[in-house]
Amino acid sequence: EDQVTQSPEALRLQEGESSSLNCSYTVSGLRGLFWYRQDPGKGPEFLFTLYSAGEEKEKERLKATLTKKESFLHITAPKPEDSATYLCAVKSGGSYIPTFGRGTSLIVHP
Amino acid sequence: NAGVTQTPKFQVLKTGQSMTLQCAQDMNHNSMYWYRQDPGMGLRLIYYSASEGTTDKGEVPNGYNVSRLNKREFSLRLESAAPSQTSVYFCASSSTGDTEAFFGQGTRLTVV
Repeated sequence: EDQVTQSPEALRLQEGESSSLNCSYTVSGLRGLFWYRQDPGKGPEFLFTLYSAGEEKEKERLKATLTKKESFLHITAPKPEDSATYLCAVKSGGSYIPTFGRGTSLIVHP
Repeated sequence: NAGVTQTPKFQVLKTGQSMTLQCAQDMNHNSMYWYRQDPGMGLRLIYYSASEGTTDKGEVPNGYNVSRLNKREFSLRLESAAPSQTSVYFCASSSTGDTEAFFGQGTRLTVV
């Protein structure tokens, strides 16, 4: 059974204070790891897909990296508008079913 | 650019009532999903449809039924609503089973 654990559950940062969110996973044959951003009262919004260890993707202040056991979402010089819940999901083997972590709630104070 | 559209956005039901949540996507995606999201539980898959004409149970299917009406539409039905089904429901779609999912804005359902 696929497992995804995100840490920390909640993170408070000052504007400009860089940090990383962690997504640890246990799967049999990773087919893809996905990062989403979810704002209050809205559906998750796709950010990145990573397929193999060593892969990195960047978008503005966000950078996602992948190893064989975990993924990090690095946030460089965050702004208050980066405040959201960040979700990680994995797909493995022959399954169409993604497994989601419970998310990290990020608050960036001005 | 509608993406994934869910209706209604909010609904209050009495215990025992039935209702259908509607979902439509305009991205020509093959796979569609229904999730529920509860505080502290994250997103849990109720049902999914890998392609038109097929549906399969997810993690929490009890009390729900689905219909993949055509490639665009995937509906979720609650036959006899229970307070435990109070939740936020999200529909999502993806091009294939390997690609990222796009989510609707959600339906906030309260069963009293």
